[in-house]
Amino acid sequence: QKEVEQNSGPLSVPEGAIASLNCTYSDRVSQSFFWYRQYSGKSPELIMSIYSNGDKEDGRFTAQLNKASQYVSLLIRDSQPSDSATYLCAVTPGYSTLTFGKGTMLLVSP
Amino acid sequence: EAGVVQSPRYKIIEKKQPVAFWCNPISGHNTLYWYLQNLGQGPELLIRYENEEAVDDSQLPKDRFSAERLKGVDSTLKIQPAELGDSAVYLCASSFGLAGGTDTQYFGPGTRLTVL
Repeated sequence: QKEVEQNSGPLSVPEGAIASLNCTYSDRVSQSFFWYRQYSGKSPELIMSIYSNGDKEDGRFTAQLNKASQYVSLLIRDSQPSDSATYLCAVTPGYSTLTFGKGTMLLVSP
Repeated sequence: EAGVVQSPRYKIIEKKQPVAFWCNPISGHNTLYWYLQNLGQGPELLIRYENEEAVDDSQLPKDRFSAERLKGVDSTLKIQPAELGDSAVYLCASSFGLAGGTDTQYFGPGTRLTVL
């Protein structure tokens, strides 16, 4: 069974700190990797996508992919209280549709 | 540009009653997805359409769930009869339509279903 694993948290960090969110996946042929942010009571919104090994930076966000180790991570620099949300890791196994993890709740305290 | 539209936003029904959800994707998006999200879980795919064709419905409980996407634009998801365990948020998403799940999916606001 194709699985995406995330620590459910909550991950608590102080404002200004770096938040590190991790995700592992089981399907070695996974092609595409996404991080979605979901505020309580809202729908998921895409914040990062990554397709090849290495780092991809977008503003305060950096996605890191290591296909050999089957993990993908998201770093949030200078964390803000407005970053408090659940972060969903999603993986495309082969050419099928997205498989989501359960999400990690991030709490950024002022 | 308008996002994915869903209605209703909330629905409360008695068990064994039917219920239907409607979704209008972003204009020009050929692929439409219906997901179910339980509290504390990630979205789980129910069905994926490419235009009017259901290309992945392997996770759709076909004894009580049905979906249609006539004309390849908006879509309806139906549950008949509803059970207590169907209480969840039903999310619709759309994407431009590259092969598989490699293109960005945009989610609607969801319909929160409560079955009493």
